[in-house]
Amino acid sequence: KNEVEQSPQNLTAQEGEFITINCSYSVGISALHWLQQHPGGGIVSLFMLSSGKKKHGRLIATINIQEKHSSLHITASHPRDSAVYICAVDGNKLVFGAGTILRVKS
Amino acid sequence: EPEVTQTPSHQVTQMGQEVILRCVPISNHLYFYWYRQILGQKVEFLVSFYNNEISEKSEIFDDQFSVERPDGSNFTLKIRSTKLEDSAMYFCASKRFLIRESNTEAFFGQGTRLTVV
Repeated sequence: KNEVEQSPQNLTAQEGEFITINCSYSVGISALHWLQQHPGGGIVSLFMLSSGKKKHGRLIATINIQEKHSSLHITASHPRDSAVYICAVDGNKLVFGAGTILRVKS
Repeated sequence: EPEVTQTPSHQVTQMGQEVILRCVPISNHLYFYWYRQILGQKVEFLVSFYNNEISEKSEIFDDQFSVERPDGSNFTLKIRSTKLEDSAMYFCASKRFLIRESNTEAFFGQGTRLTVV
């Protein structure tokens, strides 16, 4: 069983839609990271969470430590949000989910 | 804004050759990592490095791999004798980690795409 499970694997949305990507994990962690990977391959850190909720622009990330679950929300999605979104849990090292491929159509 | 830089961005090497991938972590960071991503697969942990020594390594990180912080700024990953299956994107990451803090954000380099032919 994977330590980090993301859903959905693929997501196609229309511009303007509200998007949710989910992450469940099975191990004890000190933090959870949401990362963005563009087609060129580079990884950008979006959020690091250890509790509660964080917001940055149109992005919102929440975590429920008791349920071992986190969500990444994108409000008013835009084609430039198209990317792979990766959840990674942090003990002493990052353990990555398989990623969610998001495509936002105009 | 401080960033992690990796060089080269792309390296092609022949099977059996040695390669060195270079990373310059953010200057006040103390924890350094190498991860790799084989095309189409998820990112995997290779090794973590703190206080001039390896703190943890994965099963992937066998005797063909080594890491070094030769001069206080660079952090290198050496693959001694490359194999075809070493072809992947290699990411360096660093964290500022102080004893009193529980955890800090990881900053990633843009990656080095290694192609072994």
